[in-house]
Amino acid sequence: AQSVTQPDIHITVSEGASLELRCNYSYGATPYLFWYVQSPGQGLQLLLKYFSGDTLVQGIKGFEAEFKRSQSSFNLRKPSVHWSDAAEYFCAVGGNTGKLIFGQGTTLQVKP
Amino acid sequence: DAGVIQSPRHEVTEMGQEVTLRCKPISGHDYLFWYRQTMMRGLELLIYFNNNVPIDDSGMPEDRFSAKMPNASFSTLKIQPSEPRDSAVYFCASSLGLYTDTQYFGPGTRLTVL
Repeated sequence: AQSVTQPDIHITVSEGASLELRCNYSYGATPYLFWYVQSPGQGLQLLLKYFSGDTLVQGIKGFEAEFKRSQSSFNLRKPSVHWSDAAEYFCAVGGNTGKLIFGQGTTLQVKP
Repeated sequence: DAGVIQSPRHEVTEMGQEVTLRCKPISGHDYLFWYRQTMMRGLELLIYFNNNVPIDDSGMPEDRFSAKMPNASFSTLKIQPSEPRDSAVYFCASSLGLYTDTQYFGPGTRLTVL
């Protein structure tokens, strides 16, 4: 069965520091992987997605993620965090059912 | 385009009452999804439609929940009767296709059942 684990429930980083949010998935075949961001009181917005090709994926707002099949991971990174990046981040996996399975989310707090 | 539109944004009701949540997907999108978000269970897919036809409702928690899509621009999620454990944020999303296509989420409806 598909599953997604985001090991970090809450992360705090200083503004300007680098960021890495972890995501591990379980899926029997090649997964489709997504990162979404949710600001307070808002719906989810897609940051980036991977389904084939280059394993390093660039997204919006300066985010990138790397697919590592050997580690079943799809970690999200940003070189320099801005205060406006404070939000909740969700990793999701999809496959041949077309349905997305979401992780529990990681809340990012940015210190000034 | 205005994006996915949901109404109401907030709903407070009493146990036993009927609740209807509404969604207008992005024009031209063939797929519509209903999700529920709670602290305990996270974000769960309840049901999705393709060209107005329900395809997978395996996530619908029980018979008290029903969803319809009478046309390409409107869907409803109904809870009858409502219970306090139904309190959650309900999201509607739409996409052009499945698999690799992006799902666009509405702002959600925060439901509180007293």
